[in-house]
Parts: sequence; structure tokens; C-alpha cells
Amino acid sequence: QSVLTQPPSASETPGQRVTISCSGSSSNIGSNFVYWYQQLPETAPKLLIYRNDQRPSGVPDRFSASKSGTLASLAISGLRSEDEADYYCAVWDDNLSGVIFGGGTKLTVL
Amino acid sequence: QVQLQESGPGLAKPSQTLSLTCTVSGVSIRIAGYYWSWLRQQPGGGLEWIGYTYYAGRTYYNPSLKSRLTISLDTSKNQMSLKVYSVSVADTAVYYCARGLQRQGYFDFWGQGTPVTVS
Repeated sequence: QSVLTQPPSASETPGQRVTISCSGSSSNIGSNFVYWYQQLPETAPKLLIYRNDQRPSGVPDRFSASKSGTLASLAISGLRSEDEADYYCAVWDDNLSGVIFGGGTKLTVL
Repeated sequence: QVQLQESGPGLAKPSQTLSLTCTVSGVSIRIAGYYWSWLRQQPGGGLEWIGYTYYAGRTYYNPSLKSRLTISLDTSKNQMSLKVYSVSVADTAVYYCARGLQRQGYFDFWGQGTPVTVS
């Protein structure tokens, strides 16, 4: 059971907006930057969001993220079939002195 | 272009030592500020950070695995390595190497992953 809590699944129809949450605590999300990763089937994870809400070059602006207190969220608007993937949040935990990942959210585009 | 490529035996027996190598190209592993990392993903499971190391010597390990790990760099070959001691079935996973930052959940370049089965 992960220290970071994500919903195991999410689904929405093409063109719509979906939000994925990542809940933590003061020792991780509350005090450090949150990162988001997209993992397409049978591929390595890809950095999607860094420093809470920043997109690396090449990531469409349909992907956005935010953080408030100990809760982080990833939003995907204008859903496309190619967005169907697993999404993970990651953050440094000061108490554990290590990187922790959320359990992952499997996004299905209906 | 930064590229990472893992290599390893694919299969290990329980109680053995698992040794994996990651060859880095397109950038020196001596680059300032970046940590060279290992992560894994068990079958059907999520991502788990194993640890990372810096060329100047600082290494961080996952506390739950620390007693069975060694991560090191070979700057002459631009490679990083992972040793997992006394492996068990629970160490069966796809192992990834990646480039990261100190005390951050940031990993910008990843290898394709190498599957390891302990049986």
C-alpha cells in the first residue's frame, strides 16, 4: 500500500476532461515538488509534469497539474484514445528519505 | 540525445546476487546535478524507486531495500550498475535505469527496461 494514494482507475469519453488525484502528507507532497508520469502499455514511463505544474517540451497543453497542501492533481482535457495509459505521481518523502510513487491510475478512454 | 540501455541476465535463482548494467550515451554520467537511478516495476504492479547515485559519491537507497543493494558508477565506461543480493521471487520485475535529481521524484530519461525473473 503506497504512501501516496491515487484512484486505481479512471475513465472518460473522448473529448472530455478527466482529473486524477494524488493524496499524500506533509512529509512528501506538503513539502516537495510533485512529478507525474505517463506509462503507455509495454513502455517505460515518461515524464509528463515536473515541479508540480510544469510541462516538459513536447507534452501537449491538454495536460495540466496542480498542487494544494498535501493533494496533487493531474488533469487531461480533450481526451484522446492515445491518452489511455497508467499515470503515476512521484515525490520525495522527507521522513523516508526516498522517492515514493503513487499506486498508479489506469485511465480508460471509453 | 540522452539514451539509457539496461542489460542483465534475465533470470536469477533465489539467494543469488542479481547484477544489472545501464549504459548511458549522449551525456556524461559526470554531468553536474544529475543522479543516476534504478527503479523497478513488479508484474502487474506500480513503480518502485530502488535508489540513485551521483558521480561525486553521494548515494541514496530505498530504505526497504537498502540492506541488499549496491549502486555504483563506472565513469570510464559511462555506465551505472545495480547489485541486488539474496534475491527472492519478490524481486521479479522489470528494472529501469533513469536520470534523476537529488531529493526529487524527477526522472527525465529512462531506459526501455530489462525484465528479470527470479525462479
